[in-house]
Amino acid sequence: AQSVTQLGSHVSVSEGALVLLRCNYSSSVPPYLFWYVQYPNQGLQLLLKYTTGATLVKGINGFEAEFKKSETSFHLTKPSAHMSDAAEYFCAVSDGGYNKLIFGAGTRLAVHP
Amino acid sequence: GAGVSQSPSNKVTEKGKDVELRCDPISGHTALYWYRQSLGQGLEFLIYFQGNSAPDKSGLPSDRFSAERTGGSVSTLTIQRTQQEDSAVYLCASSTRQGAYYGYTFGSGTRLTVV
Repeated sequence: AQSVTQLGSHVSVSEGALVLLRCNYSSSVPPYLFWYVQYPNQGLQLLLKYTTGATLVKGINGFEAEFKKSETSFHLTKPSAHMSDAAEYFCAVSDGGYNKLIFGAGTRLAVHP
Repeated sequence: GAGVSQSPSNKVTEKGKDVELRCDPISGHTALYWYRQSLGQGLEFLIYFQGNSAPDKSGLPSDRFSAERTGGSVSTLTIQRTQQEDSAVYLCASSTRQGAYYGYTFGSGTRLTVV
């Protein structure tokens, strides 16, 4: 069965520092992988996705993620954190039938001056 | 519509009462999903509608939960005899046919509080 593990429910970084949010997945079929961001009192917004092709994918707001099949990982990074990046981030993997997404528990990112 | 619309945005109900949550998907999106977001629990899949196919109800936590989608558009999630553990944010999302490939567009959610 497909599953997602996000290491670290809370991550805190300084403004300008590297952001690294970890996501590992389990899938019995080639996965499609997604990162979503949720700002306070809002719905989830798609940041980026990997389906096929290039394993390094770029998304909105300077975020990128790399699909590493050998490590079953899809970590999210941003070179320099901004205060506006403070939000909750969710990693998701397609289910076995490619019908729906299975989400991780989320990582809350705090950015301090 | 331009986005996924959910109503009400907030709902407070007494334990034991029934509630209905509404979702109006993006026009032309054939797939519609309901998820539940509880504090610290991530997003829990509830139910998935795709066109005229039978819905995937595998995520509904009990027979107190049901959902329907009328005319391939608006969906209503009904929770009967609400319990305090039902308190959560209920999120609706819609997508083109292959939601697991293209991704979903989410609504802002309905925050349900059972007192």
